[in-house]
Amino acid sequence: AQSVSQHNHHVILSEAASLELGCNYSYGGTVNLFWYVQYPGQHLQLLLKYFSGDPLVKGIKGFEAEFIKSKFSFNLRKPSVQWSDTAEYFCAVNTNAGKSTFGDGTTLTVKP
Amino acid sequence: GAGVSQSPSNKVTEKGKDVELRCDPISGHTALYWYRQRLGQGLEFLIYFQGNSAPDKSGLPSDRFSAERTGESVSTLTIQRTQQEDSAVYLCASSLKAAEGGEQFFGPGTRLTVL
Repeated sequence: AQSVSQHNHHVILSEAASLELGCNYSYGGTVNLFWYVQYPGQHLQLLLKYFSGDPLVKGIKGFEAEFIKSKFSFNLRKPSVQWSDTAEYFCAVNTNAGKSTFGDGTTLTVKP
Repeated sequence: GAGVSQSPSNKVTEKGKDVELRCDPISGHTALYWYRQRLGQGLEFLIYFQGNSAPDKSGLPSDRFSAERTGESVSTLTIQRTQQEDSAVYLCASSLKAAEGGEQFFGPGTRLTVL
């Protein structure tokens, strides 16, 4: 069975600090990887995705993530966070069988 | 509509009652997913549809939960004899095709409270 593990449940940063949220998955086959974000009071929305090709993918609002196949990891990064990045972040794995698995989420609080 | 819609947005019910939650996916999206999100927890996969069939029902917590989809459009999630532990936000998402494993577009959710 596939699973997704997000290492940090709650992260608190000051503005301009760098961010890295960890995500590891377990699945033996081909996967598509995603980070979704849920801003307060809003729907879940896609932040970035990896299907194939360059393992370093860039998303909206200056976020990026790197797929390291040997480590089954897909960590999310941002060099300098802003107060508006306060949100909950979910890592997700989709297989080509259609099954979708999400991590438990990481709540990011950015202090102004 | 432009996005995934769900109704009702909020539902308060008494323990033992049945509830029906509705999801309208984005037009043209053949895959539809249901998730449950309990307070402070992540998304728990319940079931997905490719067209009108449900290849994977493994996430349904018990036989009190069922879902159907008709016309490759609207889906309903039914919870029979609700229990307090069913209280959660139920999220629906749709995507172009499940086998492509692509981006899912989420609705606003239905917040279910079982008293």
